[in-house]
Amino acid sequence: DSGVTQTPKHLITATGQRVTLRCSPRSGDLSVYWYQQSLDQGLQFLIQYYNGEERAKGNILERFSAQQFPDLHSELNLSSLELGDSALYFCASTLSGGFGETQYFGPGTRLLVL
Amino acid sequence: DAKTTQPTSMDCAEGRAANLPCNHSTISGNEYVYWYRQIHSQGPQYIIHGLKNNETNEMASLIITEDRKSSTLILPHATLRDTAVYYCIVRENNAGNMLTFGGGTRLMVKP
Repeated sequence: DSGVTQTPKHLITATGQRVTLRCSPRSGDLSVYWYQQSLDQGLQFLIQYYNGEERAKGNILERFSAQQFPDLHSELNLSSLELGDSALYFCASTLSGGFGETQYFGPGTRLLVL
Repeated sequence: DAKTTQPTSMDCAEGRAANLPCNHSTISGNEYVYWYRQIHSQGPQYIIHGLKNNETNEMASLIITEDRKSSTLILPHATLRDTAVYYCIVRENNAGNMLTFGGGTRLMVKP
């Protein structure tokens, strides 16, 4: 158990819909990362937050957005969903987001878009 | 970040050492070698990392060649629970803290 929690575990929705994935970092960690793992693209970094502020952006679509709240939990919002958004979404956390810090990953949310 | 090349899959007998190679011939002087693994769609798990010297922890050993163009992750006594995809990642020390995953090596530990 990494100490990172993600909800829900599974999500099934339809194309065009909007969903919110939630992540709670390990106690004391200030930085949160979101990754997407699909069959054809592998594990890809989406976005990083540190203490409520966006720190780095990866291959995140404009239909996707994220935020980190004062209690440090983070939410990833996916809108206008397409079949290709079906994937595992992982959240990871580190203490301060600095280089070299070990990332602790949550168990993931499996999203299926029908 | 430098590109890495890993075999797609490997088998290992339970109780034996698993040696997972990684080529990173374009690695630069300030890039570290990291290893993570992912057990059956669970979140990736950190294993070990190093810069130049060989490293060992409770999970594994990391052997980096002198020219740093390749490395080997060693699981000294593989168990069935070590069956996973192992990712070798090379990272710059000023490129932020995000991880760039390649295809990894699927290690199958067999009884």
